[in-house]
Formats: sequence, C-alpha cells, structure tokens
Amino acid sequence: GAGVSQSPSNKVTEKGKDVELRCDPISGHTALYWYRQSLGQGLEFLIYFQGNSAPDKSGLPSDRFSAERTGGSVSTLTIQRTQQEDSAVYLCASSLKPRDSEAFFGQGTRLTVV
Amino acid sequence: AQTVTQSQPEMSVQEAETVTLSCTYDTSESDYYLFWYKQPPSRQMILVIRQEAYKQQNATENRFSVNFQKAAKSFSLKISDSQLGDAAMYFCAYRSSGRGSTLGRLYFGRGTQLTVWP
Repeated sequence: GAGVSQSPSNKVTEKGKDVELRCDPISGHTALYWYRQSLGQGLEFLIYFQGNSAPDKSGLPSDRFSAERTGGSVSTLTIQRTQQEDSAVYLCASSLKPRDSEAFFGQGTRLTVV
Repeated sequence: AQTVTQSQPEMSVQEAETVTLSCTYDTSESDYYLFWYKQPPSRQMILVIRQEAYKQQNATENRFSVNFQKAAKSFSLKISDSQLGDAAMYFCAYRSSGRGSTLGRLYFGRGTQLTVWP
C-alpha cells in the first residue's frame, strides 16, 4: 500500500472487554513497531517485529497485551480485559530495514475504555 | 536506557518569524540518530529532519534546521519563516545505531505543542 494503514481509526470499548487493533505496514517493510501515546505523553515503545526473528516484547506493559505478525506483514495488537488506563492512541510504524531507514507511521487507533 | 527531554510543553510564534524548539538526551552510546517528528491533529507522525551523530554538520531541510551539540547532548530544531501549517506537536526522538534488541526502537520526548499566530 501507499502508507501504513491502521484500523479501526477509533474504538470505544467497555472495561473488561478484549480489543484487537490492526496494522498493515508498507509492502516490503521488514520491521514493524507498535507504540502507545497516552494523553500528554510521548510515545511509549510496546513491541518490535523484524522479519522472522522473535519479536522484542520488552515494552509490553502487562500480560494483557500481546501482538502477532502473520506472514511478515499484517500485525494485530490484542488487549485483553481492557482497563481505563489502556485508553490511548496506539501507533504502528514500519521501516524497510531497522537500522538505516526511516520509520513511517500510521494514523493510529484511538482507544477509549469506558 | 536512553532518555529524551523536551523542556517546553508549549511554544508559540508569529507567522514568518523564527522559533527554536529544545531537546536534550542522555546516552552512553557514541553512534546514534536523532530525529524531529511533527504530529498534526491527524495523528500521523511525519519525519521533519534527521541527524546522524557521527556527522558534525547540522542537518537542514528547507526552512527546518537543527543545532546539534554532541558534547552537550543537545538537539534543537529551528523553524524559519514559520507558516500556519507548521502548527503541530513536535517530538524529538533518539534511535540507537547499534545491534541488539533496541535496534530500530525510537525513544521519544514528551513533545512541544507549537502554535503559529497569523
């Protein structure tokens, strides 16, 4: 695709429900990142996928958060038993290769837990 | 861990004037990249300018330039001839150029909200 695509754009969910956020990276990009942006905060790293290597999950805040990347392309971030503090914008980015190339960001998913 | 600090939560500038946004960072690495990203209300992060730490020359992209002081670990962004379309949140970011699990990860400051007055 032309850019990184994220869906849904906005999601409102009830506390305790599970949600899935989708990221479609730029075709051919091997690296994919998820970040979380809480109100008034910078971007917080969540997880990183690179090719077929094991993902770097060191930024996931709790075991309620998980992510997968199927076929080296589309990625899904899943939040189980959502809490109000999970409310944030979740941004996905991809890059052609992790070290020397620019990261392109999607427009994010705004998650509101009520 | 690397930290990035933006000490100005908000800044404002008159159209056509010049404004400088500040950023400092902390790292023990000698080779790394620094970035300024712009985030308009659409939420999409847009790369404004990048600087490789091994380059002494300050990066410039049209009206945007940086003042990179490696010893002081300072990386400020200067916007010249400010335009209404420059209004946005600006984030300073750091990326390691080394190997390992942090490869490619960006560390962000908390951002500076820039308002441009007509």
